Amino acid sequence: GESVGLHLPTLSVQEGDNSIINCAYSNSASDYFIWYKQESGKGPQFIIDIRSNMDKRQGQRVTVLLNKTVKHLSLQIAATQPGDSAVYFCAETLGQTSYDKVIFGPGTSLSVIP
Amino acid sequence: KAGVTQTPRYLIKTRGQQVTLSCSPISGHRSVSWYQQTPGQGLQFLFEYFSETQRNKGNFPGRFSGRQFSNSRSEMNVSTLELGDSALYLCASSWGTPGNTIYFGEGSWLTVV
Repeated sequence: GESVGLHLPTLSVQEGDNSIINCAYSNSASDYFIWYKQESGKGPQFIIDIRSNMDKRQGQRVTVLLNKTVKHLSLQIAATQPGDSAVYFCAETLGQTSYDKVIFGPGTSLSVIP
Repeated sequence: KAGVTQTPRYLIKTRGQQVTLSCSPISGHRSVSWYQQTPGQGLQFLFEYFSETQRNKGNFPGRFSGRQFSNSRSEMNVSTLELGDSALYLCASSWGTPGNTIYFGEGSWLTVV
């Protein structure tokens, strides 16, 4: 398979604090990046995306930052809530040639402490 | 607007059997892709179909196959099941052009005993 990594990093944050989840992507040719949230027993849910011609994109309570120089992606969640507890995946697509072939990172488990 | 629908949600099969999983994409979406999710390997791409043609394929053995119908619905089949095939199988759909967001279904939980 093409998934990266076997170990699931974990992050614990206090309710109300900001969360930052980091991701290193593998292919410098990737031009589209997505963050997904997966709650227990459910499929991944789209959160926010960013194209390679952007450095930052903001959504509702979430911000994605892209640093192409070091192939790094981050997801910032403002005022983290208990409902944000889930596994977060970054994903990259080889958009020029592979359409919907999406490569996922190993995921980060976020636990929000009430 | 209905999301991606997968059936069945849960199933148990015996080693050596075969299984067929079904996926109905979001209305209008022409691309359907399949992923296998396991605790040890994470999310792995199986294959992607667009307009009834397989466009991309991951690194899985030939026991894993799929097809797409003219209405964009898709099925995947796993033959000669092995214990290691126990996983959550996720279907995702999109419009099918580069950079489109893919939307996932809830998955089909397969247990092989």
